[in-house]
Amino acid sequence: RKEVEQDPGPFNVPEGATVAFNCTYSNSASQSFFWYRQDCRKEPKLLMSVYSSGNEDGRFTAQLNRASQYISLLIRDSKLSDSATYLCVVNPGTGFQKLVFGTGTRLLVSP
Amino acid sequence: DAMVIQNPRYQVTQFGKPVTLSCSQTLNHNVMYWYQQKSSQAPKLLFHYYDKDFNNEADTPDNFQSRRPNTSFCFLDIRSPGLGDAAMYLCATSREASSYEQYFGPGTRLTVT
Repeated sequence: RKEVEQDPGPFNVPEGATVAFNCTYSNSASQSFFWYRQDCRKEPKLLMSVYSSGNEDGRFTAQLNRASQYISLLIRDSKLSDSATYLCVVNPGTGFQKLVFGTGTRLLVSP
Repeated sequence: DAMVIQNPRYQVTQFGKPVTLSCSQTLNHNVMYWYQQKSSQAPKLLFHYYDKDFNNEADTPDNFQSRRPNTSFCFLDIRSPGLGDAAMYLCATSREASSYEQYFGPGTRLTVT
């Protein structure tokens, strides 16, 4: 089983739609969770951290469910510029702050 | 203002011909990482430096080596590239080993002919 699993998509949505991605992780000792965004042929960039209490940043909301070992990302009022691959990232809690990346979920927002 | 710089952005090398990719940073971060990312796959950590302390991932092939001559620079050496080594190579930094946020460079896309 992969340490971090995501649905690769693509998710095709119209502008203005709400879309949600889920991610599951296998290591129950994992300590920290993040969403990174990666545009085509570009480097990953941190989108937001995911806290136990959930957190919101504008149109983006991240949730963590430790009992079920999944993380979610909700994007409201999708924009064309949101088209990208969203990488679920987990720190497995092995001491060193190593990050394990999921393969990403591709989002395509159309006019 | 570029913070993590990778050169070259595109590199073509021949099968078996050694190649070196470079990374530099202006952030004065203690930790530097090298990742390999193949098409539609997750970035895979190859190794990292905490200051001058080198840490290799257990499954990183011996064909891959790294050097960090000073805080700002880190190099990835591929001694005998195979066709399977064609990928995007990403350099990243973080302030400390306890820092979660990593700052990535734009990557070097390696083609092996």
